[in-house]
Amino acid sequence: AQSVAQPEDQVNVAEGNPLTVKCTYSVSGNPYLFWYVQYPNRGLQFLLKYITGDNLVKGSYGFEAEFNKSQTSFHLKKPSALVSDSALYFCAVRDKANNNDMRFGAGTRLTVKP
Amino acid sequence: EAGVTQSPTHLIKTRGQQATLRCSPISGHTSVYWYQQALGLGLQFLLWYDEGEERNRGNFPPRFSGRQFPNYSSELNVNALELEDSALYLCASSARLAGITDTQYFGPGTRLTVL
Repeated sequence: AQSVAQPEDQVNVAEGNPLTVKCTYSVSGNPYLFWYVQYPNRGLQFLLKYITGDNLVKGSYGFEAEFNKSQTSFHLKKPSALVSDSALYFCAVRDKANNNDMRFGAGTRLTVKP
Repeated sequence: EAGVTQSPTHLIKTRGQQATLRCSPISGHTSVYWYQQALGLGLQFLLWYDEGEERNRGNFPPRFSGRQFPNYSSELNVNALELEDSALYLCASSARLAGITDTQYFGPGTRLTVL
């Protein structure tokens, strides 16, 4: 079965420090992985996606994610966190074996403190 | 370019009533997806429409239904509302005959409250 897990409900970092939001996946075929961010009372905004090719994907707002096939992970990273990065982050996976459905993780709340 | 729009922003209904939520996709997009984001449950896939047809359905009862119009806008109908239907309903759109690699772009959502 296709699934995605975000093992941390909450991540706290200090402004200026690097941040990592973790995501692991399980699919029967090739994974297609996405990261979205949700600000309070807003819809989801697309950050980046991995389809194929380079394992390091660069996205919006300085975020990047590293695809690791052996560890079945797709962690979201940013070298220097901003207070404005505080939001809810969702990892998602699509898999042809599941009719291209997009399955979301439970979300990780990132808090960046000044 | 206008993004995905949804209406109304908020909707308050009582148990047993029907709710209708609307979504307009990004211009040029033909696929529309509906998700439910209930407190503590994350995002759950509801329905997928493309070119006017229902392409896939999530694990929700039949009282959740919808349709897609010729202009690709979409409606989500929830009949016989129950308290647990209270949630943020998100609509997303993607390009024609969305392939697995296509990005879904989300609207701001409709907050449905069932009293």
